[in-house]
Parts: sequence; C-alpha cells; structure tokens
Amino acid sequence: QQQVKQSPQSLIVQKGGISIINCAYENTAFDYFPWYQQFPGKGPALLIAIRPDVSEKKEGRFTISFNKSAKQFSLHIMDSQPGDSATYFCAASGTSGSRLTFGEGTQLTVNP
Amino acid sequence: KAGVTQTPRYLIKTRGQQVTLSCSPISGHRSVSWYQQTPGQGLQFLFEYFSETQRNKGNFPGRFSGRQFSNSRSEMNVSTLELGDSALYLCASSSDRGRREKLFFGSGTQLSVL
Repeated sequence: QQQVKQSPQSLIVQKGGISIINCAYENTAFDYFPWYQQFPGKGPALLIAIRPDVSEKKEGRFTISFNKSAKQFSLHIMDSQPGDSATYFCAASGTSGSRLTFGEGTQLTVNP
Repeated sequence: KAGVTQTPRYLIKTRGQQVTLSCSPISGHRSVSWYQQTPGQGLQFLFEYFSETQRNKGNFPGRFSGRQFSNSRSEMNVSTLELGDSALYLCASSSDRGRREKLFFGSGTQLSVL
C-alpha cells in the first residue's frame, strides 16, 4: 500500500495555540517522512522531516513526533501565528528516487 | 540562486488538444520530478528524470509524457486533454537522483481544460 492518510482536513486555532496534524502510513518500506507547507499560488516548501530511527525532531516551533510501531507521525506547531496559515502536507518516501507519496493536506487557519 | 522556474504560469486549453509545460531546475540540479495537484486527488507523482532518462513513473496514462534535456531543463506533455486533467502541475528539482531531502518545488503551471 502506498497511501498516506492525513487528518484533519481543516484546522482553526487561535494565535498562540498549538496546531496538531496527524498522518498514518501503511508501507513499511517508507523511511523518510517530510512535512511540506504550501501558501496560495506557491509550490510546497519543505518544513521539517524525520527518519524512523528517531521518535521526535524539533526545529524552532515545529516538532515531528514519530511512532514507528503504530505507523503514525504528527506535526505540532507551537505558539501558532497568523503567518502559519497555509496548507500542510505530510509525505513519505522509500528508496525509489525522489518520489514522494503525499497526504491529502490540512488547511490551517490561525486567527489573530 | 534562482529557484525552480515553470512556464507558463497559467494555461487554458480545450478537450482533445495537447499541451507542453516547461520546467527549469535550480542551477546545478540534475534531477527533475513532476507532480499533479488537484483538490480531489491531492499531490500525485507523475515521473522523475535524471540525466535525460526517466527513472521513475507514477500511475498515469500514457497521454502523460515528459523529457529532460542535456541542460537538465524538462518538459512534460499531455496529449488528448480531458476535463479531468485540469490541475496545478508542479515541477521539483534536486541536485542528485534520490535526493529527496533537498527537493525544491516551483510555483507550478495552472492548467484549465474547457
């Protein structure tokens, strides 16, 4: 199975709050799990990524939590800001070149 | 350093026509991948080129094809357009084949099929 399931489809949080987006995968051959951020009219941009040999990775306000046994990973955005309002995609990749399998996307709105 | 450049930015075609989209990767990047983005299907991998050779292909019909030139620039072609081909087509480049950690996307070509 190549699918990556992402939830929720949309998310509204208040400024300063925590945004949490979840993803689940089926293919155990996946070994690279990036998160991309996309603003309207732009292509996706890499935000943060993790490999399955670690359970957590933090970069500034963004943290990925990874649960290998459950085949799930999530993105946490701390102290969410209106500028974080965008669509977020999780993705997964195996060893077949740069091919990424993307989740369905989450539209995040951070209210001021 | 200039980013990934895709042209044209917008395109309107009618059913049955064919279309060619262009992608110029970041200078020095040799791998180019193409993705289709639609509201219903999300982001789906089309194909990847490296050193003028197709290295990987997604689950799309043969109407979708591509090529890469010696300067790493890439084009994708869709023949006999269908309404369902309306989408944002994204190109991504990386320095080497399989460098998924360093994948940079362009802003895409928005194709509308009427």
